[in-house]
Amino acid sequence: DVKVTQSSRYLVKRTGEKVFLECVQDMDHENMFWYRQDPGLGLRLIYFSYDVKMKEKGDIPEGYSVSREKKERFSLILESASTNQTSMYLCASRDFGKETQYFGPGTRLLVL
Amino acid sequence: KNEVEQSPQNLTAQEGEFITINCSYSVGISALHWLQQHPGGGIVSLFMLSSGKKKHGRLIATINIQEKHSSLHITASHPRDSAVYICAVRNTGNQFYFGTGTSLTVIP
Repeated sequence: DVKVTQSSRYLVKRTGEKVFLECVQDMDHENMFWYRQDPGLGLRLIYFSYDVKMKEKGDIPEGYSVSREKKERFSLILESASTNQTSMYLCASRDFGKETQYFGPGTRLLVL
Repeated sequence: KNEVEQSPQNLTAQEGEFITINCSYSVGISALHWLQQHPGGGIVSLFMLSSGKKKHGRLIATINIQEKHSSLHITASHPRDSAVYICAVRNTGNQFYFGTGTSLTVIP
């Protein structure tokens, strides 16, 4: 079974703090994704990575950056958290050439 | 812009009822996915369709490419089916679009 884990289920941070969200997958997948999910808006792609050290902007990259130094780990960074970044963050991975994305359990981030 | 529209947004059913969730999309697609998200956040993939119909247990998914429409059916619904069901499409440019989800509650 593919396993995608995220470092925290719940996180509370203050405005202006730097926030790291970590995602690890154990199936040697090339592709990894970061989404945020907000009521009424569905899942929106923030960044994705096709392979180690490769990253591409998604639909809403502003205020975020990512890092993929190792194949199994994809980190999402909020350089200076703001209240409008309060959301559910979901990581996913996918094997190259395959359709199915495997999602992590999500991190609920509250920025005060 | 809503490339993927789902209906209904919310659905409450009695245990045992037959349930249908609809998905319409406006882009050319390579594949359509139905996802299930349980309370607490985890998402699992139920089906991937590019044509026709798929069945898994009490779940059936159909797609009509010409009409750009897909349906997810649940037969003999059960309280454990309570979840958010999300329709997602991958277009020919390899981009994913997600619907906003249908929240299903099945009452015993």
